[in-house]
Amino acid sequence: GIQVEQSPPDLILQEGANSTLRCNFSDSVNNLQWFHQNPWGQLINLFYIPSGTKQNGRLSATTVATERYSLLYISSSQTTDSGVYFCAVRQGGSEKLVFGKGTKLTVNP
Amino acid sequence: GAVVSQHPSWVICKSGTSVKIECRSLDFQATTMFWYRQFPKQSLMLMATSNEGSKATYEQGVEKDKFLINHASLTLSTLTVTSAHPEDSSFYICSAPLVGYAYEQYFGPGTRLTVT
Repeated sequence: GIQVEQSPPDLILQEGANSTLRCNFSDSVNNLQWFHQNPWGQLINLFYIPSGTKQNGRLSATTVATERYSLLYISSSQTTDSGVYFCAVRQGGSEKLVFGKGTKLTVNP
Repeated sequence: GAVVSQHPSWVICKSGTSVKIECRSLDFQATTMFWYRQFPKQSLMLMATSNEGSKATYEQGVEKDKFLINHASLTLSTLTVTSAHPEDSSFYICSAPLVGYAYEQYFGPGTRLTVT
């Protein structure tokens, strides 16, 4: 099956810093989503981005489908950005999302 | 936006008892829902696909007799953990896709199960 790898596994920042999280996938996909899992366990949808670039406030994401990777950018990080960021993909013909192992982000004040 | 709820948010039960977890799509219909399990500091592991009006499809290694899934309506799927044991303690999360132009999945807030 498809493999999804996220890097880095852990990231520690000072408030105000910028960061880039990466998601590599081993095969073509129909769907790619980025999620933020907050400290209470809720997965919050950040982006649905099978290709191209999207921006939402301080967050933006780019997926280069032909090269099988996606990047999540966080600018001017805040302590509330802390948590685990997951990338998940869906292949054609399947309804299932396959998750990466996540990047744990800690933003210190 | 699409909202998925779960109930209860946390439950403690004694070993040998059964626990039912509900997953509801509040503002959209979902013929398919998904159940995940998450261990501490790990990623989500898909347990099964719940299909409205038909049997659930379980992932390899998931005991279908232990984890009973019923998708009785277009907005409700239930997961029953039967004869629970301490090793069943985990965080259970459901999701439902918003079908249309995209197939974006939305997740419930999760249920933390502790079996004593």
